[in-house]
Amino acid sequence: DAGVTQSPTHLIKTRGQQVTLRCSPKSGHDTVSWYQQALGQGPQFIFQYYEEEERQRGNFPDRFSGHQFPNYSSELNVNALLLGDSALYLCASSMYRIYTGELFFGEGSRLTVL
Amino acid sequence: GESVGLHLPTLSVQEGDNSIINCAYSNSASDYFIWYKQESGKGPQFIIDIRSNMDKRQGQRVTVLLNKTVKHLSLQIAATQPGDSAVYFCAEGPPPSNTGKLIFGQGTTLQVKP
Repeated sequence: DAGVTQSPTHLIKTRGQQVTLRCSPKSGHDTVSWYQQALGQGPQFIFQYYEEEERQRGNFPDRFSGHQFPNYSSELNVNALLLGDSALYLCASSMYRIYTGELFFGEGSRLTVL
Repeated sequence: GESVGLHLPTLSVQEGDNSIINCAYSNSASDYFIWYKQESGKGPQFIIDIRSNMDKRQGQRVTVLLNKTVKHLSLQIAATQPGDSAVYFCAEGPPPSNTGKLIFGQGTTLQVKP
């Protein structure tokens, strides 16, 4: 049973560039949530996708956008990169109708902005 | 605003001893809490959860205690092993309307000495 997979694992960008991160949820899951984890901090909720729509959003600017595909996989896009966007980006999957705090996380995409 | 915080950034214990990791929260309306473990280079992994109608919940070698009066919860790990070395996060559980949104604390690093 494949868990949550994310790509790429590491990437380096320069300020002003754009980046796309990808996530495939755990088999059987229909919901993807994205988190940003700065070094030494806990993960912060960016947004959640279900049925190809953004359902909830955290306190992140519009430069952060996403998409969910019919196969439940998801992308996170960040435009006009800032140095402060350097972080580990985590994808977590779950079942939308099941109320639980148990999210399944991928290993993350480490973004460095120079 | 709402917040979840841990008391100590680092905890060092001897292998075989019991570990206690503490966490405080500010929102008295919070009614669902989760503990996650994050090993180096990996995404967070669910350990155990507890709802506000309980004071204690036990899992395999772990126990979570919830004190709603002082808005405090703790994670106890029995007979700590080297494999328990990781960063531990307490998180406030998602609202029923958004099962993907967790509010994480900053984390406590558990170091297990052989």
